[in-house]
Amino acid sequence: DSGVTQTPKHLITATGQRVTLRCSPRSGDLSVYWYQQSLDQGLQFLIQYYNGEERAKGNILERFSAQQFPDLHSELNLSSLELGDSALYFCASSVDLGTGEQFFGPGTRLTVL
Amino acid sequence: TQLLEQSPQFLSIQEGENLTVYCNSSSVFSSLQWYRQEPGEGPVLLVTVVTGGEVKKLKRLTFQFGDARKDSSLHITAAQPGDTGLYLCAGAETGGGNKLTFGTGTQLKVEL
Repeated sequence: DSGVTQTPKHLITATGQRVTLRCSPRSGDLSVYWYQQSLDQGLQFLIQYYNGEERAKGNILERFSAQQFPDLHSELNLSSLELGDSALYFCASSVDLGTGEQFFGPGTRLTVL
Repeated sequence: TQLLEQSPQFLSIQEGENLTVYCNSSSVFSSLQWYRQEPGEGPVLLVTVVTGGEVKKLKRLTFQFGDARKDSSLHITAAQPGDTGLYLCAGAETGGGNKLTFGTGTQLKVEL
């Protein structure tokens, strides 16, 4: 158990809908990262927050957004869902920005029908 | 864009054999991590290497970071069925930010 929690575990929805994925980092970790894992693209970095502020953006679509709250939990919002958004979404956390050691949650499997 | 290529992509071996997985890039990384992932679960951190030429051992696993901090290798001695899984290398970009670029992955299967 990495100490990072994610909910829900599974999510099935229809095209055009909007969903919210939630992540709670390890106790004491200030930085939260979101990744998408699909069969054809592998594990791709989406976005990073550090202590409530956005720090880095990766291959995140404009339909997707995220935020980190004062209690350090984070949410990833996915809107106008398309079939191609079906994937595993992982949250990871780290203490700070220095060492690169990130600890991953169990993931949310999103299926868009 | 920093890319990490792993080889081989798939590896199926018998219990007791040795193997090496390679992770190569043309970019320099401030650090490199190795993860193992089981189906439907999140990647689990195995090791972090930071210094060029660094070698770290974790029981039967030996990790090496290239002198130029562009490549890495993972060597497993006397593989066991419990080593089965997807092995991923991930490089942290230089200049801060801690964003990880993941490798293409090596799917290892160890059979009895």
